[in-house]
Amino acid sequence: DIQMTQSPSSLSASVGDRVTITCRASQGISNSLAWYQQKPGKAPKLLLYAASRLESGVPSRFSGSGSGTDYTLTISSLQPEDFATYYCQQYYSTPPWTFGQGTKVEIK
Amino acid sequence: QVQLVQSGAEVKKPGASVKVSCKASGYTFTSYYMHWVRQAPGQGLEWMGIINPSGGSTSYAQKFQGRVTMTRDTSTSTVYMELSSLRSEDTAVYYCARGMEEFRFNYYYYYMDVWGKGTTVTVSS
Repeated sequence: DIQMTQSPSSLSASVGDRVTITCRASQGISNSLAWYQQKPGKAPKLLLYAASRLESGVPSRFSGSGSGTDYTLTISSLQPEDFATYYCQQYYSTPPWTFGQGTKVEIK
Repeated sequence: QVQLVQSGAEVKKPGASVKVSCKASGYTFTSYYMHWVRQAPGQGLEWMGIINPSGGSTSYAQKFQGRVTMTRDTSTSTVYMELSSLRSEDTAVYYCARGMEEFRFNYYYYYMDVWGKGTTVTVSS
């Protein structure tokens, strides 16, 4: 199974900050990576797929990049509604589909 | 619009079984796989399995093999996830999520695009 490791596990940031979250796969996943946002008590929401493709309706301040085993999610200017937990997920070598452990973005 | 509506919260005793439903609407039910993912309190997301609503074929995470059964009813566009021999560690929110197809490098890949709101299952004596 492919293991996904996110860093950091949590971070504190201010509104307007640029935020970057990293996800590393235990083997190459050929850009088959999705990012999800989850707010407390809510279901995860798809933000990006294929590492860098923005899901319809998702604000353009969210972007993704990477290749091979290393990927990043960037929020260019953090907004109040962006405080949440973010998960990466690989869908290259399945089953199983595997998630990172999550990164909690908190208000500084 | 695409919607996945899940059944209500359940409280079960250890050793019992639970069956959670997920009713799809707004798209052709048999054209998309359906995943089940769970989240224990304060924990991350854990993939449980997938079902093809067209033919009913399934694939389960090794951790749940022998305890989980996923089925579907095409007449009502509903998928079901049944988990047996419940223990306290199965207390979690259970989500269904549609599998979206991506064709790349002559192969199909499937990510999760739309999620249900979740069903809370509490296992307690």
